[in-house]
Amino acid sequence: EPEVTQTPSHQVTQMGQEVILRCVPISNHLYFYWYRQILGQKVEFLVSFYNNEISEKSEIFDDQFSVERPDGSNFTLKIRSTKLEDSAMYFCASSEMPRGGEAYEQYFGPGTRLTVT
Amino acid sequence: GQNIDQPTEMTATEGAIVQINCTYQTSGFNGLFWYQQHAGEAPTFLSYNVLDGLEEKGRFSSFLSRSKGYSYLLLKELQMKDSASYLCAVDKIYNQGGKLIFGQGTELSVKP
Repeated sequence: EPEVTQTPSHQVTQMGQEVILRCVPISNHLYFYWYRQILGQKVEFLVSFYNNEISEKSEIFDDQFSVERPDGSNFTLKIRSTKLEDSAMYFCASSEMPRGGEAYEQYFGPGTRLTVT
Repeated sequence: GQNIDQPTEMTATEGAIVQINCTYQTSGFNGLFWYQQHAGEAPTFLSYNVLDGLEEKGRFSSFLSRSKGYSYLLLKELQMKDSASYLCAVDKIYNQGGKLIFGQGTELSVKP
């Protein structure tokens, strides 16, 4: 069964450093997403991406964050100048194009645990 | 704004049935999803409702009333492995694709 993959599984970085989190969405999916979950808190939407551009972003997704689809398979989240409060689990997700008013499930990757020290 | 409420935790007995409720208030609604999340793992899809009514998938069923802003997830024949957090999420309407707004999650403990 196809699945979303993410690397690395755990990233430790120092405050102020830049990190790039990588995701390979399911191959026939067209919509890509990043979510984060701070330990003990709810899953929060960060950004969605379609047709090589951002479709929507939350208030969390400020200038510190950027996303890119550098090739036909990878989808990345870059966090510039990391802060302590960026420590969280970051989930990538992907979905198919909705058909005729149907909703569509988002498939989540296993996540990257980011620890900022 | 948006508000999604679900109980923080529930306990049930192996073999029993449990109902997890979710109420929501949101501008823009394209469906309601239920995900299961084991500690330290990714959310996995269980069920979704776009229209009012009951959707059944094996041991899991989900119900939606759009007029009441209410949904529930019903788990039958509970197994120990069903101990997990159950996340209610609203799919918001916007131009292309969707974004899931999650509730806090209901931590379900299944006891022998």
